[in-house]
Amino acid sequence: DQQVKQNSPSLSVQEGRISILNCDYTNSMFDYFLWYKKYPAEGPTFLISISSIKDKNEDGRFTVFLNKSAKHLSLHIVPSQPGDSAVYFCAASGAPGNNDMRFGAGTRLTVKP
Amino acid sequence: DTEVTQTPKHLVMGMTNKKSLKCEQHMGHRAMYWYKQKAKKPPELMFVYSYEKLSINESVPSRFSPECPNSSLLNLHLHALQPEDSALYLCASSQPTGGYNEQFFGPGTRLTVL
Repeated sequence: DQQVKQNSPSLSVQEGRISILNCDYTNSMFDYFLWYKKYPAEGPTFLISISSIKDKNEDGRFTVFLNKSAKHLSLHIVPSQPGDSAVYFCAASGAPGNNDMRFGAGTRLTVKP
Repeated sequence: DTEVTQTPKHLVMGMTNKKSLKCEQHMGHRAMYWYKQKAKKPPELMFVYSYEKLSINESVPSRFSPECPNSSLLNLHLHALQPEDSALYLCASSQPTGGYNEQFFGPGTRLTVL
């Protein structure tokens, strides 16, 4: 039972444009959402997070939006750079102190120069 | 030091072998995790240790045996594995529980069971 879904396995954008990666979840008990980035032969690296009390969190070129009623979140990267090319995983966990984190299947982003 | 290290990077073993995967962190994290990741699939949580005690076991077969000898080390002992256990095994750690804390991942051990 996939509780976190990333329905686009891949995304290709031109350098300088916006990349939008989407994620949907089914469990209404999820309270905290994270995006991880993974390069080949490396473990996932934390990128940005958002708690359910917010609808937006911004860190430099990266912004995460949360729509709780739709159980949907998205990651915006502006402007996209070739170094952003990686697999992006959406993840979700429950209440504070809950270590059980669930991942989506990932979206492979390719940013073309 | 914000790194989680895992050894070995690659491991090939037969179904009758016994081997161990090792994970180490020196960030003072008191929660440590094992995940299994198959190709084109998300990481799947296997075990969570919190303050060196096993707090989550996601119904993992007994041929996988975790151990947390101290707050910096996490092992995964493997015995009588099956070819379908071939996967990338990821270790992660996070700050002490009680708040929202992102997990820091190691590079993984690529396991092949023949």
